[in-house]
Amino acid sequence: DAGVTQSPTHLIKTRGQQVTLRCSPKSGHDTVSWYQQALGQGPQFIFQYYEEEERQRGNFPDRFSGHQFPNYSSELNVNALLLGDSALYLCASSLDRFGLSTDTQYFGPGTRLTVL
Amino acid sequence: AQSVTQPDIHITVSEGASLELRCNYSYGATPYLFWYVQSPGQGLQLLLKYFSGDTLVQGIKGFEAEFKRSQSSFNLRKPSVHWSDAAEYFCAVGARTNFGNEKLTFGTGTRLTIIP
Repeated sequence: DAGVTQSPTHLIKTRGQQVTLRCSPKSGHDTVSWYQQALGQGPQFIFQYYEEEERQRGNFPDRFSGHQFPNYSSELNVNALLLGDSALYLCASSLDRFGLSTDTQYFGPGTRLTVL
Repeated sequence: AQSVTQPDIHITVSEGASLELRCNYSYGATPYLFWYVQSPGQGLQLLLKYFSGDTLVQGIKGFEAEFKRSQSSFNLRKPSVHWSDAAEYFCAVGARTNFGNEKLTFGTGTRLTIIP
């Protein structure tokens, strides 16, 4: 049973550029959440996708956007990159039952983004 | 809004000694509580979770945690640590939103060092 996978593993960008990160959820899961983990900090919730729609959003600017595909995979897009966007970006998947996401979130290995 | 406090930034214990990592949460309703572990450069692995019922929960790798509502705590314990337990440990609370889904709020983590 494949777990949550993310690509790429590492990425280096320069300020002002745009980046797309990808996530494939654990088999059988339909909900994808994205988190940003700055160095030395705990992960911070960015947003969650279910049924191809953004269902909940954390305190992140509109430069952060996402998408979920019919196969439940997801992308995180960040525009106009800032130095402060350098972080480990984690994707987590879970299963939504009857409109209630009561299951546990399982995390992928993350994508390390460095903005120069 | 929910929050999690992990008061110990760094803990050092001898191999074979017992371990207790502290976690305090703030949440208006019955929380969903989690402990995750993160090895350097890796994603998060779920150790254990509390949803309801028995307040003492068992997890993987010999870890356990006890939910104490009166103290708003969910401390992680292990009777005898192994060198492989050296990692960063994160406590998280799952907040049920109006849409029924959850987002996780993490503490800042406790770095565990094991000495021979």
